[in-house]
Amino acid sequence: DSGVTQTPKHLITATGQRVTLRCSPRSGDLSVYWYQQSLDQGLQFLIQYYNGEERAKGNILERFSAQQFPDLHSELNLSSLELGDSALYFCASSTTALPNEKLFFGSGTQLSVL
Amino acid sequence: DAKTTQPNSMESNEEEPVHLPCNHSTISGTDYIHWYRQLPSQGPEYVIHGLTSNVNNRMASLAIAEDRKSSTLILHRATLRDAAVYYCILRDGDYQLIWGAGTKLIIKP
Repeated sequence: DSGVTQTPKHLITATGQRVTLRCSPRSGDLSVYWYQQSLDQGLQFLIQYYNGEERAKGNILERFSAQQFPDLHSELNLSSLELGDSALYFCASSTTALPNEKLFFGSGTQLSVL
Repeated sequence: DAKTTQPNSMESNEEEPVHLPCNHSTISGTDYIHWYRQLPSQGPEYVIHGLTSNVNNRMASLAIAEDRKSSTLILHRATLRDAAVYYCILRDGDYQLIWGAGTKLIIKP
């Protein structure tokens, strides 16, 4: 158990809909990262938050947004969903945002857009 | 764009050492080399990381070339539980991890 909690584990929705994925980092971790993993591919970095502020942005679509709340949990919002958005979405956390920090990953949310 | 190159897959026998190579010819002086592995249906798991010197921990060893353009993850005695996709990643200045496709390690009993 990594200590990172993601909910829900599975999400099935239709095209055009909006969903929210939730992540609770490990206790004491200030940095949260979101990744997307399509079938049989590596992870695609989406966005990073550190102590409530956006720290780095990757290949995140304009239809996607995220935030980190004062209690440090984070939410990833996906809107106007398309079939191609079907993927595993992982959240990870680390104590700081330093490049020598190890990341702890949650078990992911499997999103299926039908 | 992945900054690392790894073989798509490798096979090894159980209880033998495994050497997983990674090329990162465009590495910068401040990039850390991280290794993670992902078991089926699970999130990635940290294995090891380093900057310039070789590193050892309870899971594995990391050998970094002197010019830092390549590295090798060493599993000293592979078990069936080590079957996973292994990712070699560089942590760049924007504190992201850029992931490639990884190496699928197959362990034969």
